Amino acid sequence: DAGVTQSPTHLIKTRGQQVTLRCSPKSGHDTVSWYQQALGQGPQFIFQYYEEEERQRGNFPDRFSGHQFPNYSSELNVNALLLGDSALYLCASSLVWAKNTEAFFGQGTRLTVV
Amino acid sequence: GNSVTQMEGPVTLSEEAFLTINCTYTATGYPSLFWYVQYPGEGLQLLLKATKADDKGSNKGFEATYRKETTSFHLEKGSVQVSDSAVYFCALSDRSGAGSYQLTFGKGTKLSVIP
Repeated sequence: DAGVTQSPTHLIKTRGQQVTLRCSPKSGHDTVSWYQQALGQGPQFIFQYYEEEERQRGNFPDRFSGHQFPNYSSELNVNALLLGDSALYLCASSLVWAKNTEAFFGQGTRLTVV
Repeated sequence: GNSVTQMEGPVTLSEEAFLTINCTYTATGYPSLFWYVQYPGEGLQLLLKATKADDKGSNKGFEATYRKETTSFHLEKGSVQVSDSAVYFCALSDRSGAGSYQLTFGKGTKLSVIP
């Protein structure tokens, strides 16, 4: 089992550009959540996808959008990048999200905005 | 809303020392509690969890007990090793409004263990 895989691992973008990050969940998992982890901080919840729909959203602007595909993989899109968007972006997958369900995390994508 | 507060780091200990990392939480519902660990350059791994009051989660010599009366979930280990050096995150899982469950994390505590 490959676990949760994210691509790319590192990315450098210029302010104002757009970026797409990708996540393949652990085999058998159907729920994907995205988190932003700024340097020295804990992960902050961006949004969660289940059955190809956004089910929950954290306190992030509309510049952050996502998608889930029929094979449960997911994309995170960020438009009009700001310097403050520089962070590690983590994808987590689980099976039918419940409060005591273990979330499996990927290695993350390190985004640097210059 | 939900929040998690954990002790500030960094924490530096000698090998075989006793470890405590404090964690308290605020939740609107009855959350499940977790400790995640992040090794350098890696994603988060679940270390242990507890789903109801007085439950004790344990793994790899680490333990934490769900204390509802003090809203706490402190992480402990009797004898740390150099390989335990990592960042530790306390987290809770609870519903946000009418939505699905999501994790709320503390800011993390960096532990360095020296030989």
